[in-house]
Amino acid sequence: QVQLIQSGAEVKKPGASVTVSCEASGYTFATYWMHWVRQAPGQGLEWLGWINLKNGDTTYAQKFQGRVTMTRDTSINTAYMEISRLKSDDTAVYFCARGDGDEYYFDYWGQGSLVSVSS
Amino acid sequence: DIVMTQSPDSLAVSLGERATINCKSSQPVFYRVNSRNYLGWYQQKPGQPPKLLMYWASTRESGVPDRFSGSGSGTDFTLTISNLQAEDVAVYYCQQYYTPPITFGQGTRLEIK
Repeated sequence: QVQLIQSGAEVKKPGASVTVSCEASGYTFATYWMHWVRQAPGQGLEWLGWINLKNGDTTYAQKFQGRVTMTRDTSINTAYMEISRLKSDDTAVYFCARGDGDEYYFDYWGQGSLVSVSS
Repeated sequence: DIVMTQSPDSLAVSLGERATINCKSSQPVFYRVNSRNYLGWYQQKPGQPPKLLMYWASTRESGVPDRFSGSGSGTDFTLTISNLQAEDVAVYYCQQYYTPPITFGQGTRLEIK
């Protein structure tokens, strides 16, 4: 069965960087896209961008341009999302979500990774 | 950016009754080439990731009970939950994936009356 397993919770100081990983199993990794979505405490869902797992192409939401980097390692079926220059309002649960394309719905989601930013 | 607006923000419905959630997009999410509405619905329970319920506005995801149905086209969409069950208590989100940035509605909280 398809599973997306994310890395654990992180606590970071403002200005630092954090990388969240998402290990996929149960399907052919590079035939899909991976999207990243975040959810601040008690808030709604916010899309950060996607990575084409086959060729590494990326598209980021304009809000995160220059601060977010999405990569993947096809040898270990893992996608990564790095955010730099963290601010307190980056505190959120970050989800990876599989899409069958760049403009597509998300049929499987990771369990979420809490990133807390506090001085 | 396409703005997705859901209504109501919250609603309470009796067990066995019908719940209706509306979603309006600020521009059409219908693609004429393939006659599809790029609209999805998700259910999120506390402490869990969102779960896909509907895609292409009206196609039910595998394993989703047929009590859930989606309708609408263009800019106006509806998620209907018939015969409400206790396990349907959740927050529901609509999503447009017509064009980046992919955007979600603000969410509708569904409770039991």
